[in-house]
Amino acid sequence: QQQVKQSPQSLIVQKGGIPIINCAYENTAFDYFPWYQQFPGKGPALLIAIRPDVSEKKEGRFTISFNKSAKQFSLHIMDSQPGDSATYFCAVYFQRAGNNRKLIWGLGTSLAVNP
Amino acid sequence: DVKVTQSSRYLVKRTGEKVFLECVQDMDHENMFWYRQDPGLGLRLIYFSYDVKMKEKGDIPEGYSVSREKKERFSLILESASTNQTSMYLCATISYRLYEQYFGPGTRLTVT
Repeated sequence: QQQVKQSPQSLIVQKGGIPIINCAYENTAFDYFPWYQQFPGKGPALLIAIRPDVSEKKEGRFTISFNKSAKQFSLHIMDSQPGDSATYFCAVYFQRAGNNRKLIWGLGTSLAVNP
Repeated sequence: DVKVTQSSRYLVKRTGEKVFLECVQDMDHENMFWYRQDPGLGLRLIYFSYDVKMKEKGDIPEGYSVSREKKERFSLILESASTNQTSMYLCATISYRLYEQYFGPGTRLTVT
């Protein structure tokens, strides 16, 4: 079953626009919420992440908004650039018993930023 | 810098062949993962390992096996490759102490 629902599946914006990608999760036991960015031909790489004790985190042009009561978190890209064109994945982090760690992934959003 | 390397970037195999995909990491991370990535299906976990010789099935283990004889190396084995295993395969690691998952560059496998 899909425990993390990511939307939209694809997104096209003009340069300078603010694309927003949303994720909703089901299990309140998750304790870390990262966003990964993947360029063609590369593996995903961590972009930004948030813990559930804060409602917003900014790193450069990237912002995560977190709504614990609604079990949702969003990625906002300010002043988007063509170089931001990539696939973005949200994930939730699941600490299992002992030292096992596992991420549960959204299905990804393909973002295109037109010049 | 954490480095995760995969043995091949591109691989073409015939149906029924046994296929080995190798992953090596240089950061002494305990947890290692194999995913496959297909358009519209995101990242699907095949197997993961949280220690040497320890392994656990992910969401789609059928048709695959894994081996972890050394901490730095995690191998994915397709016992008898089939065309529906044509995909991008990604290896990843994560540390006990950190939260970031590090990915290799991927192996694009085509089974004909």
